[in-house]
Amino acid sequence: EPEVTQTPSHQVTQMGQEVILRCVPISNHLYFYWYRQILGQKVEFLVSFYNNEISEKSEIFDDQFSVERPDGSNFTLKIRSTKLEDSAMYFCASSVSGTVAYEQYFGPGTRLTVT
Amino acid sequence: GESVGLHLPTLSVQEGDNSIINCAYSNSASDYFIWYKQESGKGPQFIIDIRSNMDKRQGQRVTVLLNKTVKHLSLQIAATQPGDSAVYFCAEKHNQGGKLIFGQGTELSVKP
Repeated sequence: EPEVTQTPSHQVTQMGQEVILRCVPISNHLYFYWYRQILGQKVEFLVSFYNNEISEKSEIFDDQFSVERPDGSNFTLKIRSTKLEDSAMYFCASSVSGTVAYEQYFGPGTRLTVT
Repeated sequence: GESVGLHLPTLSVQEGDNSIINCAYSNSASDYFIWYKQESGKGPQFIIDIRSNMDKRQGQRVTVLLNKTVKHLSLQIAATQPGDSAVYFCAEKHNQGGKLIFGQGTELSVKP
């Protein structure tokens, strides 16, 4: 069964450093998402991406964040200058369509620890 | 503002019993509701969904009930098994683009 993959599984970085989190969505999916989950809290939407541009973003997704689909398979989330409060699990998801009826498939997540 | 939340943070049940996990939502404009299961160290996994024009939907061992009058969603798991132990999130979705708004989560613990 096809699945969303994410690398690395755990990333430790120092405050102020740039990090890039990588995702490989399911191959025939067209909509891509990033969510984050601070330890013990609910999953929060960050950004959705379709047709090589951002469809929607949350208040969390400020100028420090960016997303890119550099090639036909990868989808990346970049945090330019990490802060302590960026420590969280980051989940990538993809779906065939953006309409409500289509399931979003989540990857296993990248645990980001900012020290 | 919009919010989707859960009534109980933890639920402990005996193996073989039925489990009921509840969720309250506040956005009456939402037209799609989903239950996700999250096991330790993994991403959310789709369980079952329901459209806002439905009251009930059944899957394998799971049933979702939607009460739009009181803005309440529940997940019923029949004959709960140890493998059902996880955190369960309700989520809502509306509009194009598919953004999911998650609730707080309920941790289900199944005792053998």
